[in-house]
Amino acid sequence: DTEVTQTPKHLVMGMTNKKSLKCEQHMGHRAMYWYKQKAKKPPELMFVYSYEKLSINESVPSRFSPECPNSSLLNLHLHALQPEDSALYLCASSQGTGAPYEQYFGPGTRLTVT
Amino acid sequence: QKEVEQNSGPLSVPEGAIASLNCTYSDRGSQSFFWYRQYSGKSPELIMFIYSNGDKEDGRFTAQLNKASQYVSLLIRDSQPSDSATYLCAVTEDTGRRALTFGSGTRLQVQP
Repeated sequence: DTEVTQTPKHLVMGMTNKKSLKCEQHMGHRAMYWYKQKAKKPPELMFVYSYEKLSINESVPSRFSPECPNSSLLNLHLHALQPEDSALYLCASSQGTGAPYEQYFGPGTRLTVT
Repeated sequence: QKEVEQNSGPLSVPEGAIASLNCTYSDRGSQSFFWYRQYSGKSPELIMFIYSNGDKEDGRFTAQLNKASQYVSLLIRDSQPSDSATYLCAVTEDTGRRALTFGSGTRLQVQP
């Protein structure tokens, strides 16, 4: 089973709102990732958590705040977003950041900032 | 600047034909290579991965890796209209980072 789940599927929020995206996996994976994908572009890495610790932050603006409460859960807290932040937000997981390296993606959250 | 290059397409093939998708990468330290399929409006789905030079087959899919030429390809045999999607090539580098670097994707159209 290579299932990663994400909620909500769709989210519309105003620029002054605070919202959170949630990601969950039950594959025993110890690395989890957030990617952002704009239309007709490849996914872009935002954050990597390895063994529940933040290991990579790709210079993401502070209005995006990741959290890893435990090895199965990953959240992305959103605050004071801009319209250009509208995108598909993808969560992925892998067994670790060492071998094997396959990353499995969740279905994504389609975010619209108005 | 690590780069992964793909022809954006569209690559159009008739049903039943072999579709050949190509990818080149700039970082000689790249260690792992992945092919993802992405349908419009959906998330990427891992369909093949390859770590060693040579060919790897899985059903109708064959991944080919040539590290000396920094080239990886995906062959899809007996192409079906349901294979019509964007195919993303992704690589990881030879460090502990293991973050995926994606190519821009090739759009494949299989004509019935």
